[in-house]
Amino acid sequence: ELKVEQNPLFLSMQEGKNYTIYCNYSTTSDRLYWYRQDPGKSLESLFVLLSNGAVKQEGRLMASLDTKARLSTLHITAAVHDLSATYFCAVDTRPGNQFYFGTGTSLTVIP
Amino acid sequence: GAVVSQHPSWVICKSGTSVKIECRSLDFQATTMFWYRQFPKQSLMLMATSNEGSKATYEQGVEKDKFLINHASLTLSTLTVTSAHPEDSSFYICSARLAGGPGEQFFGPGTRLTVL
Repeated sequence: ELKVEQNPLFLSMQEGKNYTIYCNYSTTSDRLYWYRQDPGKSLESLFVLLSNGAVKQEGRLMASLDTKARLSTLHITAAVHDLSATYFCAVDTRPGNQFYFGTGTSLTVIP
Repeated sequence: GAVVSQHPSWVICKSGTSVKIECRSLDFQATTMFWYRQFPKQSLMLMATSNEGSKATYEQGVEKDKFLINHASLTLSTLTVTSAHPEDSSFYICSARLAGGPGEQFFGPGTRLTVL
């Protein structure tokens, strides 16, 4: 059974601080995606990671993928309140390209 | 580009009735669409994979006779929840994969179903 686990599940942090969210998965995959979800809304695509060693950055967020360790990270730099949301990673499986989502990390940034 | 719409955005129905949710890819062709369900405070769970012109593939534990999926064209998939019950109340999200693309899925805005 495929497992995609995120750590932590809940995160409360002060503005200006840094933190990393981890996504571990149990199957072989070289494609991983990060999404943001605001309450009552659907998913907003953040990052598409398509190979081992891929690193992408957008604003205060940076994502990386280590396919050998089956690990992806989402690093938050100098958090601001607007980043408060739930973040999901999703592993792309072959051959059907089904996505299996992580457990989610609920982030609250405190002013 | 790569916009996916869902209709309706929310629906409230009585127990025992059937509800149809539409998922459309507006500016691209999608040979494959996916249906997910999300309960409050939980992650998205894949329900089924819908391929244009063929029967949907359901994930383990998802009743295919209860959740009817039709993918009649390259831009439209429908999910019908038959004989809905309160436990079917959830947020249903569809996604579409660009035909010939690398595999990225584009997600719809979701449909919130409440069964009374």
